[in-house]
This record gives sequence, structure tokens and C-alpha cells, in this order.
Amino acid sequence: SQKIEQNSEALNIQEGKTATLTCNYTNYSPAYLQWYRQDPGRGPVFLLLIRENEKEKRKERLKVTFDTTLKQSLFHITASQPADSATYLCAPSEGDTGRRALTFGSGTRLQVQP
Amino acid sequence: DAGITQSPRYKITETGRQVTLMCHQTWSHSYMFWYRQDLGHGLRLIYYSAAADITDKGEVPDGYVVSRSKTENFPLTLESATRSQTSVYFCASSDAGYSNQPQHFGDGTRLSIL
Repeated sequence: SQKIEQNSEALNIQEGKTATLTCNYTNYSPAYLQWYRQDPGRGPVFLLLIRENEKEKRKERLKVTFDTTLKQSLFHITASQPADSATYLCAPSEGDTGRRALTFGSGTRLQVQP
Repeated sequence: DAGITQSPRYKITETGRQVTLMCHQTWSHSYMFWYRQDLGHGLRLIYYSAAADITDKGEVPDGYVVSRSKTENFPLTLESATRSQTSVYFCASSDAGYSNQPQHFGDGTRLSIL
């Protein structure tokens, strides 16, 4: 069955460092992969989408990589700030056939210490 | 204000009662989704809708009913609430339903069933 794995343990890093979060998937051949941020008591908020033919995508301090051979996406936040503390969810999707809904990983909580 | 709103934000009810969670979006997005979020399971799709009067089951549809008579509204009804349906419920919408489109989430309804 399809499986999405994100590190369930919280990631604690010091302000100014680069945070790296991992999303691994099995029994998927995603054409796209989305990353979302979720704050406590709020709904997820879309951050970035990367396509299978893109190795890397950047947006301000965020960078996402997509390795279809390793079946893995990495999400980086450079020069991290306490305001980056949140849970980050990944959602691979297989393209425009069949169901349009996304399947999400359980998320990794990031805590940036000042 | 434009966006997606869910009501109520919090609800406590008893087993066996019927409860309806409301979702309203102002973007005229064609696709709408209902998810539940539980510790250890992440976001799981309950139902989704491609357009008014078109709905389809997701991963965990049992015990839930949806309708979509208007594009902007997508209510979720628990016909006879059970304790296992205690959860946080999120409604989302997306523009075209293609898997490369981001989903926009409401801030959730926290439902407790006693």
C-alpha cells in the first residue's frame, strides 16, 4: 500500500541554522509533491509545489528537493527563525488521473530555539 | 473576507446525536474536501466534491454524509455520532482539482463526542 513517512520526532534547531525535513514515500510514483505548514489550532497552509522533472525549487528561505530515485523529498529552511516553528506536512500526488485529493504525511514538528 | 470558513470552531455533543459541520468558501473553487486529523494518523480524507451535486468517498467515509447543493458550501454530517469520531475536522478547497493545485484549508472544527 502507499505510504508516506515523515519523522514523527520533533526537530529542534538553533536560530540561524538550516532546518532539513524529510519526506519518504513508498508505492508511489508522484508527479508532484507539495509541502504545507501547520500552526497549532490552524489549518495547513500551502508553501511549495515541486514537479517530478524539477530537482529543486526555491522560495525565499525555503528550498525543496525531489529525488524520484530515492523516493524522497527534502525541505530546507535556511537562516531559521523562531517564527518558523510549526509542523510541516508533505503530500505527494500521482498526477491528474483518478482522484484529485491529496494524501498527507503525518508531519514533522520543527522547533527553532532563539 | 475571501477565504474558507468553518463553523462551529468547537463542538461538544453526545453519542448518537446528529451533528453538522459547515464549510463555506468564497473563491468559487470547484473542488472541496473534508479531512479529519488525529494524532498518529495525520490528515485523512473523508469525502470530496468535484462540483455542485458531485461527491465521492475518501479514505474514511463511514458514518459521514455530505451534500453540495451550492458550489460555495460543503456541509459534513455525522448522522449518529460515535466517540471514535472525536477529531479535528478540516475543510479545504482547490481551484481545478488537479493534483498540481494547492489546497486551501479552513481553521478546523474541534469536535468532541462524549
